[in-house]
Amino acid sequence: AQSVAQPEDQVNVAEGNPLTVKCTYSVSGNPYLFWYVQYPNRGLQFLLKYITGDNLVKGSYGFEAEFNKSQTSFHLKKPSALVSDSALYFCAVRDIPRGSQGNLIFGKGTKLSVKP
Amino acid sequence: GAVVSQHPSRVICKSGTSVKIECRSLDFQATTMFWYRQFPKQSLMLMATSNEGSKATYEQGVEKDKFLINHASLTLSTLTVTSAHPEDSSFYICSARATGGMGETQYFGPGTRLLVL
Repeated sequence: AQSVAQPEDQVNVAEGNPLTVKCTYSVSGNPYLFWYVQYPNRGLQFLLKYITGDNLVKGSYGFEAEFNKSQTSFHLKKPSALVSDSALYFCAVRDIPRGSQGNLIFGKGTKLSVKP
Repeated sequence: GAVVSQHPSRVICKSGTSVKIECRSLDFQATTMFWYRQFPKQSLMLMATSNEGSKATYEQGVEKDKFLINHASLTLSTLTVTSAHPEDSSFYICSARATGGMGETQYFGPGTRLLVL
C-alpha cells in the first residue's frame, strides 16, 4: 500500500541555521512527490515537487528537496531558516498507476519551529 | 502558482441546518477537484474526488448523502453538508488539479472553518 512517513512531529531550529524536514515514501510505480506548507487556519501552499529529472528540486521561499530513490526519501531542506518559516509542513506522494490519475497521499505533518 | 478560492472562510450554523461551501479555481480550469477534512493537529483526510460533469467518488466511510458534492463547471465545485451536527465541525479544504501540463500539481484553497452548534 502507498504511504508517506514524516518521522518527526516537530523540528526546532535556530534562525539562520540550516533545516531539514524528513520524508520517506512507499509506492508502487513511479512517485510524484510534493511538499506543502500550512500556516495556522490556512489551506496548503505548494512549495515544490519532484516528477522526473534532477534529484535536487528547488522551490518557493528558498526551500529545496532531494529525491533519493534508493532510500525512498524526499527530505525538505533550507540552508538558512527564518522565523517566518515556522509552520506545518506536509510531504505528499501521488502514485500514477497505469490508467489512473492517482490521489495525493499525505504524511502526518511536521511542525517546524524557528526561534530567533 | 495557481489560485484556488473558498467561500465562506468561516461559518457557524445551528444543528440540523445545511451549509454550502464553494471552491473556485480562479486562473485555471480544474478537471478534478478534491475535498478534504482536517482535524486539529492532524493531516488532511480525503473525503471525495470529483471530475467535472461526473458524480463524485467518495472515500470509504464518507457518507455521500450527507456530504453532497457538485462539480458543475471546470472552475467551481461545491460541498454541501446536509443536516449538520456538532461532530461535523471541522476545517474543510478543497483542492483543484488542472488539465494538461499543470495536471501534476494540486492547488489548495484557504479552507473553511465550520462550527456546528
